[in-house]
Amino acid sequence: GDSVTQMEGPVTLSEEAFLTINCTYTATGYPSLFWYVQYPGEGLQLLLKATKADDKGSNKGFEATYRKETTSFHLEKGSVQVSDSAVYFCALSGKGGGNKLTFGTGTQLKVEL
Amino acid sequence: DTGVSQNPRHKITKRGQNVTFRCDPISEHNRLYWYRQTLGQGPEFLTYFQNEAQLEKSRLLSDRFSAERPKGSFSTLEIQRTEQGDSAMYLCASSLGQGPHEQYFGPGTRLTVT
Repeated sequence: GDSVTQMEGPVTLSEEAFLTINCTYTATGYPSLFWYVQYPGEGLQLLLKATKADDKGSNKGFEATYRKETTSFHLEKGSVQVSDSAVYFCALSGKGGGNKLTFGTGTQLKVEL
Repeated sequence: DTGVSQNPRHKITKRGQNVTFRCDPISEHNRLYWYRQTLGQGPEFLTYFQNEAQLEKSRLLSDRFSAERPKGSFSTLEIQRTEQGDSAMYLCASSLGQGPHEQYFGPGTRLTVT
């Protein structure tokens, strides 16, 4: 079945550091890929998405590129802020099946001054 | 836009009791999803509705679980004879149309079974 693997956290960075959170997936066909973010005390929010190979999703300075050849969708940001501290979830939506989401386990990011 | 709402936000119950959660999706959204999230894990799919029809159920959804979406509006998730293993955050999400549209999540209902 479909699955998502993302790097374990917590990831602790200093403000303005470069961020990479790795995400790889297993799925039949060509799924759509998502990054969701959960800020402390809040619900899950979509951060960005990509629906086909080589697409780049971007939002709020974050970006991720759908790499079919490596089945990856790594999240990057050039300069993190304290306000980016949150848990980040990589997810996929397979073709058919009502577009239900399969999530990774989440990566906690802590950004310090 | 009021977003997806869920009630109650927290529920503490004793093992063996029945509980029911409610989800109100964004009004024009025709798809509604239920997920379960345990500590340190990502959400896991339970079931989804398109309008009032329940189209898929995960193997995680044992026969003690039942979900409804009468009239294609709000949805309820009932757990009968709760067990300690049912303790989790239950998340509801809704989306508009078919295809990989964004799912909007509610704040969740945290269930604790003692």
